[in-house]
Amino acid sequence: DVKVTQSSRYLVKRTGEKVFLECVQDMDHENMFWYRQDPGLGLRLIYFSYDVKMKEKGDIPEGYSVSREKKERFSLILESASTNQTSMYLCASSPRVGGAETQYFGPGTRLLVL
Amino acid sequence: SQQGEEDPQALSIQEGENATMNCSYKTSINNLQWYRQNSGRGLVHLILIRSNEREKHSGRLRVTLDTSKKSSSLLITASRAADTASYFCATDGNQFYFGTGTSLTVIP
Repeated sequence: DVKVTQSSRYLVKRTGEKVFLECVQDMDHENMFWYRQDPGLGLRLIYFSYDVKMKEKGDIPEGYSVSREKKERFSLILESASTNQTSMYLCASSPRVGGAETQYFGPGTRLLVL
Repeated sequence: SQQGEEDPQALSIQEGENATMNCSYKTSINNLQWYRQNSGRGLVHLILIRSNEREKHSGRLRVTLDTSKKSSSLLITASRAADTASYFCATDGNQFYFGTGTSLTVIP
């Protein structure tokens, strides 16, 4: 089975802190994604990557950056956390470029920024 | 936005009843997928239907797709308490677009 793991289930940070959310997948997938999920807004794509060192902006990249130095790992970085970044963050991976492939999700990280 | 929209937002049924939820989207797609999310967890893929398909089955799940109306429906037959979750449709394009979800509660 595909396994996507996220470094933390719950995280509490203070405004202005730099926050790292890590995601690792074990199935050699090319594509990896970061979403945030907020009540009433569904899932919104922050960034995605289809190869090592490659990244593409999603719908809401402002305030975030990403890093993909290795194929299995995709990191989301909040350079200076703000309270409006309190959310559930979901990482996903899929095995091929293009939209036809199933995405496999991690368990999510619930981030609270105080 | 190409984001899909599920309808209803919330649905409560008795165990054993069928549950139907709908998804509408805005632009042409290659395929549409349905996912389930248990409370506080990640999403799990349920079923994919391609744009040239009209209906697909998987166990107790039945998905239909009407590309002329840009809509899809997910039917869960003989629902169980364990089906309690949020259900999302996702459409492809340059990237994946997820809807806002239908929250299903199955009462034992």
